[in-house]
Amino acid sequence: AQSVTQLGSHVSVSEGALVLLRCNYSSSVPPYLFWYVQYPNQGLQLLLKYTTGATLVKGINGFEAEFKKSETSFHLTKPSAHMSDAAEYFCAVRGMNRDDKIIFGKGTRLHILP
Amino acid sequence: NAGVTQTPKFRVLKTGQSMTLLCAQDMNHEYMYWYRQDPGMGLRLIHYSVGEGTTAKGEVPDGYNVSRLKKQNFLLGLESAAPSQTSVYFCASSYGGSTSGEQYFGPGTRLTVT
Repeated sequence: AQSVTQLGSHVSVSEGALVLLRCNYSSSVPPYLFWYVQYPNQGLQLLLKYTTGATLVKGINGFEAEFKKSETSFHLTKPSAHMSDAAEYFCAVRGMNRDDKIIFGKGTRLHILP
Repeated sequence: NAGVTQTPKFRVLKTGQSMTLLCAQDMNHEYMYWYRQDPGMGLRLIHYSVGEGTTAKGEVPDGYNVSRLKKQNFLLGLESAAPSQTSVYFCASSYGGSTSGEQYFGPGTRLTVT
């Protein structure tokens, strides 16, 4: 079975500072990994995903995440925060078996300080 | 493409009333899902469907019913609404089978039960 833990339900960073949102997963099979973003009063939007191959994955809006199998982590980073990055971010995992479903973390709300 | 659309966007119900939420997708996705999102609880899967004419229970199915009569539509019904069903409801869809299975979300329906 898969599970996801996001460390910190709220994270605050200053505009221009590094953004780091932490995600650890557990999976009995090689996983697919995802980060989604949810802006206020909107649905979730896929930021990036890891399937196979290169462990550093680049997504939209300058975000990237690195799959580290030894640490069972998939942390999301962005070098320089922008006010428009304020949103809730969800990490998710899915096993590679046909019937596996996506399991979402509980989310991390990112606040950007001026 | 419209992607995933949800109707209505907002609704207020009185306890005991019934209603149906409609989800439509134009991406020819096999799989469709209904989630509810509550503060601090993340996304919780209510019901899902892996194809036309099939449905299955998710994590929190009690008090809800679903139907998937057409591939592009997935209906969520509340037969007798309760205040505990006050929530934001999201529909999502995805390709099924051996794909990575990322889900595409609708904009949500905000339901209040008084």
